[in-house]
Amino acid sequence: DTAVSQTPKYLVTQMGNDKSIKCEQNLGHDTMYWYKQDSKKFLKIMFSYNNKELIINETVPNRFSPKSPDKAHLNLHINSLELGDSAVYFCASSPHGLAGGRLQFFGPGTRLTVL
Amino acid sequence: QKEVEQNSGPLSVPEGAIASLNCTYSDRGSQSFFWYRQYSGKSPELIMFIYSNGDKEDGRFTAQLNKASQYVSLLIRDSQPSDSATYLCAVNPPDYKLSFGAGTTVTVRA
Repeated sequence: DTAVSQTPKYLVTQMGNDKSIKCEQNLGHDTMYWYKQDSKKFLKIMFSYNNKELIINETVPNRFSPKSPDKAHLNLHINSLELGDSAVYFCASSPHGLAGGRLQFFGPGTRLTVL
Repeated sequence: QKEVEQNSGPLSVPEGAIASLNCTYSDRGSQSFFWYRQYSGKSPELIMFIYSNGDKEDGRFTAQLNKASQYVSLLIRDSQPSDSATYLCAVNPPDYKLSFGAGTTVTVRA
């Protein structure tokens, strides 16, 4: 029944490793997002996809690569993990497509810790 | 200048009082404004949105928007301990990216 789900919930890994976070929404929304929330609770958008098409690509290191196999899924792959990547990553979705990203609904978050 | 600014708090209010949270934004073309509540260790949850100048009430929550002053606020009436959380202001400028403030932490004292 979960509207926006993410796996895993916790991810602890060593520097230099490659990891993926998966996101799925069953709300029928057209647009999905990845956000990073740092230790100071600042929530910053990373990427957005609308119907599998990348529409927002913020200034994010190219070690981060999103992939959207269909409009219900948006995965995030991170190569060569660094200490500064430690944060909580939230997936979100919204029903309004390109129309301003209104009414975004967030997944439970994935807490990534890089050692 | 940050796109969305909030007082970080903490804002401590006694149970039953009114909590007043403020948010200012820099992009005058912004059209949509949102308040999210985030409990510790949880994801942001949308509690209010407002598009037009004036007040919008939903239960104990009232959002106030003044586009001329680039100011949006949230009032929580009859504050309860369950309202203790971080409140995130989010603004939707014309480039379609939702910009979040850093959040105001509210503590309601029983």
